[in-house]
Amino acid sequence: SQQGEEDPQALSIQEGENATMNCSYKTSINNLQWYRQNSGRGLVHLILIRSNEREKHSGRLRVTLDTSKKSSSLLITASRAADTASYFCATDAKAGNQFYFGTGTSLTVIP
Amino acid sequence: DGGITQSPKYLFRKEGQNVTLSCEQNLNHDAMYWYRQDPGQGLRLIYYSQIVNDFQKGDIAEGYSVSREKKESFPLTVTSAQKNPTAFYLCASNSGGGPQHFGDGTRLSIL
Repeated sequence: SQQGEEDPQALSIQEGENATMNCSYKTSINNLQWYRQNSGRGLVHLILIRSNEREKHSGRLRVTLDTSKKSSSLLITASRAADTASYFCATDAKAGNQFYFGTGTSLTVIP
Repeated sequence: DGGITQSPKYLFRKEGQNVTLSCEQNLNHDAMYWYRQDPGQGLRLIYYSQIVNDFQKGDIAEGYSVSREKKESFPLTVTSAQKNPTAFYLCASNSGGGPQHFGDGTRLSIL
């Protein structure tokens, strides 16, 4: 399987703290994306980083990509209770238009 | 508003019955996807379509069928051959390898 793996599987932090999630994948990619899923809902796209980029910011989100290690990290700064959700990374294999999702990190932000 | 609409939100299947999940998008996206999500798990690709009248099997296509007669529509049929259909089904679309837009899912259960 080309599916990625997120680490940790679950994370619980206090409001205001930073949350860091990691993603590892197996094959060469065109880009890597991070998504968020609230319980019982569809996924919402957060940020896309291309294979030739090393870091990208969007608001309180910071994503890094290390293609030599086939890994990425998502940092959420100054977390809020509303950030409570599951977070998934997704990669597209260079050969096609399929996307491969990781197993997700469940983030709980305690008010 | 542009988006993806999945229906119904909840669906129950009897033994030996085929059921069809609807997915409609008005984003003018070329590609559409069906994923299955089991509790606490990531997304697994069932089928995807990059253009009208064409579709490809994903990692877990057995027991499922699709059609793509219109750009806007990509229905998924869960056949009686799928012996463990209880799951959350998510439809997505995108264009040009960009971010995927997701519907809010259909939760299928067995009676």
